[in-house]
Amino acid sequence: EDQVTQSPEALRLQEGESSSLNCSYTVSGLRGLFWYRQDPGKGPEFLFTLYSAGEEKEKERLKATLTKKESFLHITAPKPEDSATYLCAVPPSGGYNKLIFGAGTRLAVHP
Amino acid sequence: ETGVTQSPTHLIKTRGQQVTLRCSSQSGHNTVSWYQQALGQGPQFIFQYYREEENGRGNFPPRFSGLQFPNYSSELNVNALELDDSALYLCASSLLSSTDTQYFGPGTRLTVL
Repeated sequence: EDQVTQSPEALRLQEGESSSLNCSYTVSGLRGLFWYRQDPGKGPEFLFTLYSAGEEKEKERLKATLTKKESFLHITAPKPEDSATYLCAVPPSGGYNKLIFGAGTRLAVHP
Repeated sequence: ETGVTQSPTHLIKTRGQQVTLRCSSQSGHNTVSWYQQALGQGPQFIFQYYREEENGRGNFPPRFSGLQFPNYSSELNVNALELDDSALYLCASSLLSSTDTQYFGPGTRLTVL
């Protein structure tokens, strides 16, 4: 069964304390892994797409990496404005243009 | 370039009623997908529309139905509302390719009393 699992469920960091979020997936023939940021009560905001193992993408304090079974979202020297829920998603096996989401990691960065 | 918009922002209904949610897709996109997000969970795929036809459906009952119009905007209709239908309803627009990025609107918060 196609599945996406994110860990940890929640993460509390001090400002400047770097860390990583994990997204593991079980799909056949990965056709992309998507990271989104979601603020409370808002729609997900697109961050990155990764297509192949070894690929990396960066945006400000965020860097996403991909292996054959998981992806990491590294947050370097986070600021309070990075507080949000981070979601990862993959298209399922079988070619549909839909996304299977993990439950997300709720990140809180305190000054 | 106009992003994805949704209306209304919030909605309160009572059990048994019907509701219609609306979505305008991003300029240049021909595909609209709808998701339901319960509190504390990731979005769950409801269905997708491409060129006014349903193009895939998740595990939702037939009382969830939709439409796509020639301008690629879309509606989500839910009949016979149940308490468990309370959620954030998200619309995403994209091109049809399975590798294309889906861009989400701000969502409609539906509360069923």
